[in-house]
Amino acid sequence: NAGVMQNPRHLVRRRGQEARLRCSPMKGHSHVYWYRQLPEEGLKFMVYLQKENIIDESGMPKERFSAEFPKEGPSILRIQQVVRGDSAAYFCASSTPGQEPYEQYFGPGTRLTVT
Amino acid sequence: GQQLNQSPQSMFIQEGEDVSMNCTSSSIFNTWLWYKQDPGEGPVLLIALYKAGELTSNGRLTAQFGITRKDSFLNISASIPSDVGIYFCAGQLGAGGTSYGKLTFGQGTILTVHP
Repeated sequence: NAGVMQNPRHLVRRRGQEARLRCSPMKGHSHVYWYRQLPEEGLKFMVYLQKENIIDESGMPKERFSAEFPKEGPSILRIQQVVRGDSAAYFCASSTPGQEPYEQYFGPGTRLTVT
Repeated sequence: GQQLNQSPQSMFIQEGEDVSMNCTSSSIFNTWLWYKQDPGEGPVLLIALYKAGELTSNGRLTAQFGITRKDSFLNISASIPSDVGIYFCAGQLGAGGTSYGKLTFGQGTILTVHP
């Protein structure tokens, strides 16, 4: 199964620690998107990346959050100095480059719990 | 920013009944997508709609892209127990500007099917 892969599936961090979430897109996909989902809510867009480029980070909090998609390896969403409010499910999606439209396929998510 | 209003918030139906849910937006989208999310999993793409007025089917699912490009509905016919889950609509702007890849999600419709 060459679907979108995310790890870890569950991550527990204490307040002030760093959280690193990884996403490997589907085979042949070079566009990656990160979304955050709070309990009983819809998904909220955070950032859109292509290889080595951030295309749209309009949904990213201004501080403590960063994302990258290097030439080699998975995309990484990094949260520094986590706080309780960062507890959520973080989903990565990928799409294929080329003509519109860009159908996005989601991974299983990383559930972050900040204690 | 753009918002999607999805209704109803939840539905309780008997197996075999038909289901209808819809999404409305304050602004135009160029692509509408419908996803289903099971507990602890990522959203799974059900149907994608690319043109205003388009009606598309996928098995027992039928979705339409509203003429005004500000709404979409999803119908499920002859529901079965495995239809249980949360259904999300999502709109995408498409080409033009850096926000073209971003998906804006509705709040979700929780579907419960009684055998």
